Amino acid sequence: GAVVSQHPSWVICKSGTSVKIECRSLDFQATTMFWYRQFPKQSLMLMATSNEGSKATYEQGVEKDKFLINHASLTLSTLTVTSAHPEDSSFYICSAPQIAGGAVDTQYFGPGTRLTVL
Amino acid sequence: LAKTTQPISMDSYEGQEVNITCSHNNIATNDYITWYQQFPSQGPRFIIQGYKTKVTNEVASLFIPADRKSSTLSLPRVSLSDTAVYYCLVGDLMDSSYKLIFGSGTRLLVRP
Repeated sequence: GAVVSQHPSWVICKSGTSVKIECRSLDFQATTMFWYRQFPKQSLMLMATSNEGSKATYEQGVEKDKFLINHASLTLSTLTVTSAHPEDSSFYICSAPQIAGGAVDTQYFGPGTRLTVL
Repeated sequence: LAKTTQPISMDSYEGQEVNITCSHNNIATNDYITWYQQFPSQGPRFIIQGYKTKVTNEVASLFIPADRKSSTLSLPRVSLSDTAVYYCLVGDLMDSSYKLIFGSGTRLLVRP
């Protein structure tokens, strides 16, 4: 299947600092990408939809000023956690849809980024 | 709100066939059904996808009845490495901006 990468795979930062996470579609272009957050033993929670060339759309309850999303190209979306606090510690996962045969998309997910805020 | 309902957990033994059923009573005409597998600290991995009847690939089969209100993921002869969480999702996959909403998933434990 298609490959989606994330960088870094894990990051530890001090409270108050900002952290940038990259999501890349390696062998296909994606005008839309999605960002999820997952806490231990819980399911994935959709945070926002990243749109190439336009503003991201955020799910209810997700602070857009705290989680900055930039979709600068057809293969790259970035999520910046600004002024991170311990409660932002989580597993962040991105996904991108690839158009398969018959114009049906299949969502492929990145390997995730573990963020720990001290 | 998740559009699917699955059993929270299932137990099985190595070599057995495992069937996980997902309910999606309000599935829309344009919705497809997709199943993912997730191991701890990894992103979900695509398993199989279908619209109706039966779909089979090298790792699983997906059975979808005519009314499409449910679907069953079938894993033949599971091994210990199949212990994971399995998610069933429905969505309009013709629309690349369609958001996939995850339910609680099914935690499968395969015992020796």
